[in-house]
Amino acid sequence: EPEVTQTPSHQVTQMGQEVILRCVPISNHLYFYWYRQILGQKVEFLVSFYNNEISEKSEIFDDQFSVERPDGSNFTLKIRSTKLEDSAMYFCASSLLRGADTQYFGPGTRLTVL
Amino acid sequence: LAKTTQPISMDSYEGQEVNITCSHNNIATNDYITWYQQFPSQGPRFIIQGYKTKVTNEVASLFIPADRKSSTLSLPRVSLSDTAVYYCLVGNYGGSQGNLIFGKGTKLSVKP
Repeated sequence: EPEVTQTPSHQVTQMGQEVILRCVPISNHLYFYWYRQILGQKVEFLVSFYNNEISEKSEIFDDQFSVERPDGSNFTLKIRSTKLEDSAMYFCASSLLRGADTQYFGPGTRLTVL
Repeated sequence: LAKTTQPISMDSYEGQEVNITCSHNNIATNDYITWYQQFPSQGPRFIIQGYKTKVTNEVASLFIPADRKSSTLSLPRVSLSDTAVYYCLVGNYGGSQGNLIFGKGTKLSVKP
């Protein structure tokens, strides 16, 4: 069964550093998403991406965040200057359609900002 | 988006049937009801989706009454590995909202 993959599984960084989280969505999917989950809290939507542009973004997704699909397979989330409060699990997801269509989540990247 | 309400937690024993009910009083006509499961330190995983009446797959059943203001996820004969958080979500295909809005979910604990 096809699956979404994410790298790295764990990233430790110093406050103020840039990080790039990588995802490989399911190959025939058209919609891509990033979510995050702070330890013990609920899963929060960050951004959705379709046709090489952002479709929607939440209030969390401020100017420090950016997304890119640099080639036909990777989907990346960049945090320019990390803050302590960016520490969380970051999940990438993809779907064939939007709306209520099933979103397939990756295993996540645990980001720890020191 | 329709708001959902579900119990914060539930306890069960191995081999029992577990029913988790979710209320979504302001569900829209073109909304579907979807349940996701999340194990600790893993991404959410799709379990089942339905629009009305009953849907069954190899993992669970979903019961939706005629008014669609609630739904019940039924897990038959749970095992320890079913211990997870279960999320009820409501949304529509092709809708302007592509993102999933997760609540706090129901934390199911299965005991031996």
